[in-house]
Amino acid sequence: QVQLVESGGGLVKPGGSLRLSCAASGFSFSDYYMTWIRQAPGKGLEWVSYISSNGHTIYYADSVKGRFTISRDNSKNSLFLQMNSLRADDTAVYYCARAAPMDVWGQGTTVTVSS
Amino acid sequence: EIVLTQSPATLSLSPGERATLSCRASQSVSSLLAWYQKKPGQAPRLVIYDASNRATGIPARFSGSGSETDFTLTISSLEPEDFAVYYCQQRSIWPPTFGPGTKVDIK
Repeated sequence: QVQLVESGGGLVKPGGSLRLSCAASGFSFSDYYMTWIRQAPGKGLEWVSYISSNGHTIYYADSVKGRFTISRDNSKNSLFLQMNSLRADDTAVYYCARAAPMDVWGQGTTVTVSS
Repeated sequence: EIVLTQSPATLSLSPGERATLSCRASQSVSSLLAWYQKKPGQAPRLVIYDASNRATGIPARFSGSGSETDFTLTISSLEPEDFAVYYCQQRSIWPPTFGPGTKVDIK
């Protein structure tokens, strides 16, 4: 069935790095734009980044621009989010989603930035 | 950036009652507005897209209406599984933005 599965979350110190992955199955991954969304504890949903189907068009939220890099490997049906210079306010559950609209979501992976 | 305002912040209702949720945009988003349902510990679920289209698998008790700046999500008769937080989201003007959410809880 149509599915997205995130991985790569964890506990990291401020200033550290993490790479999130999202494995897609059950649909033609290369046909779809993809996006990362996050939800900080007790907060609402926040869009993080967006990549076109061929990877040539990319957008970032101002809050992560210059620190996060989105990419994809269509041959492996995978989406990635490289997160550098992590801060405490990056602590959140990170979801990948098929766009747009965001009709398929992964279960989320938790990123905790704390010393 | 388009700001989405949702009201009320919390809606306390009983099963079987009608829920009416509002989302207002700071400028026109045409019909490019979606509604998502979010339960604790679960991924968000698309409920309505393009203002009035039910997503796959969404029951007919959910309906969406509106255009430009004013939108409504209606749940005609609340079922126990409908109690959740509902977020509106626009994709008309970059960057895409979410509203702060309306929590529908059990009275």
